[in-house]
Amino acid sequence: GQQVMQIPQYQHVQEGEDFTTYCNSSTTLSNIQWYKQRPGGHPVFLIQLVKSGEVKKQKRLTFQFGEAKKNSSLHITATQTTDVGTYFCAAPTGNQFYFGTGTSLTVIP
Amino acid sequence: DTAVSQTPKYLVTQMGNDKSIKCEQNLGHDTMYWYKQDSKKFLKIMFSYNNKELIINETVPNRFSPKSPDKAHLNLHINSLELGDSAVYFCASSPGGTYGYTFGSGTRLTVV
Repeated sequence: GQQVMQIPQYQHVQEGEDFTTYCNSSTTLSNIQWYKQRPGGHPVFLIQLVKSGEVKKQKRLTFQFGEAKKNSSLHITATQTTDVGTYFCAAPTGNQFYFGTGTSLTVIP
Repeated sequence: DTAVSQTPKYLVTQMGNDKSIKCEQNLGHDTMYWYKQDSKKFLKIMFSYNNKELIINETVPNRFSPKSPDKAHLNLHINSLELGDSAVYFCASSPGGTYGYTFGSGTRLTVV
């Protein structure tokens, strides 16, 4: 299946600091999705990126797809305690999406 | 109304038992999935299924079998449970193609 690596695995930030997680693939991706999983919860779809170099924003969240379509990033500006959770990227192979290893974000009030 | 519902939410059982987890979606989606999430939060796809095709991840033991009585349901049956099967199992659905998945709330399986 598709192999996507995410870094960092864990991140602790003070509330108000920025946060970024990166997703990297060894192969070119047709598209990439991002999900958020709150502690004790289930993954929730955030966004899909399709075009090379695409940038999308959702309030304080900025998603980027690399020019070569082999990497992607999620950046959160001025984190809040509600941002706590694990963020996953997911890349397709056929009609299945393979999830990255995830980045667990802790926000310290 | 819950879009993707799984039952039970928690399941504790002994090694060697056979168990099933049920999943239902009311979104009218064509494709359903089962994912396993281990203690390190790694999400691994197990199966994807629509009314035409079942795709099985090659690393899934044949003790695991999906059963779909209709388009809205995809149950997971597990034979001869092992300690290593302990995990959270998520059902998900999508309209197919590259649309985002809608996940159920998960079933935490503990094998003792």
